[in-house]
Amino acid sequence: DAGITQSPRHKVTETGTPVTLRCHQTENHRYMYWYRQDPGHGLRLIHYSYGVKDTDKGEVSDGYSVSRSKTEDFLLTLESATSSQTSVYFCAIRVEYEQYFGPGTRLTVT
Amino acid sequence: AQKITQTQPGMFVQEKEAVTLDCTYDTSDQSYGLFWYKQPSSGEMIFLIYQGSYDEQNATEGRYSLNFQKARKSANLVISASQLGDSAMYFCAMSVYNTDKLIFGTGTRLQVFP
Repeated sequence: DAGITQSPRHKVTETGTPVTLRCHQTENHRYMYWYRQDPGHGLRLIHYSYGVKDTDKGEVSDGYSVSRSKTEDFLLTLESATSSQTSVYFCAIRVEYEQYFGPGTRLTVT
Repeated sequence: AQKITQTQPGMFVQEKEAVTLDCTYDTSDQSYGLFWYKQPSSGEMIFLIYQGSYDEQNATEGRYSLNFQKARKSANLVISASQLGDSAMYFCAMSVYNTDKLIFGTGTRLQVFP
């Protein structure tokens, strides 16, 4: 158990509304990541963080922003949700060379 | 650009038999890591095994082994003595040192039958 929680676990929202997903870790690991999983694409990196207030873009960052004001929390925000952002979102932490994933958040944008 | 290819969308194996899941990768970097994850129907991503590009021996973790062939750029997962609980999606992934980003393949669905 890597001590990663995600909230909410499920969310349905309407197009155009802002949404924030939270990832929380209990072990003070430096590196944290947000991925999305869609059928036929595997997992794709959205944003990642290598420390408090240090973040960088991943492969599919358009439409997403992140913040990390504390080591233990990494927030993913959809400023104005679109139907193309319907997906399962996974948070991950890096422990040495390995990445461990949270349980995921299923987001549906109607 | 880095890329992971998993050419088997689905595989079947009988319980207690061994199975190999294929993974090829493409990178021009010399330092990289290769990973396999399992995703059961419940949805969580479970780390299985890791192989560094400079590791001379193939990685093993219990019934899982990674058949690393650097010249062929392949990193196949071998599951020995399959169990019904091995039925799941399996993802191959690659990280590039100093970037920490994981690049995933599209996955292989393994079904184990009695």
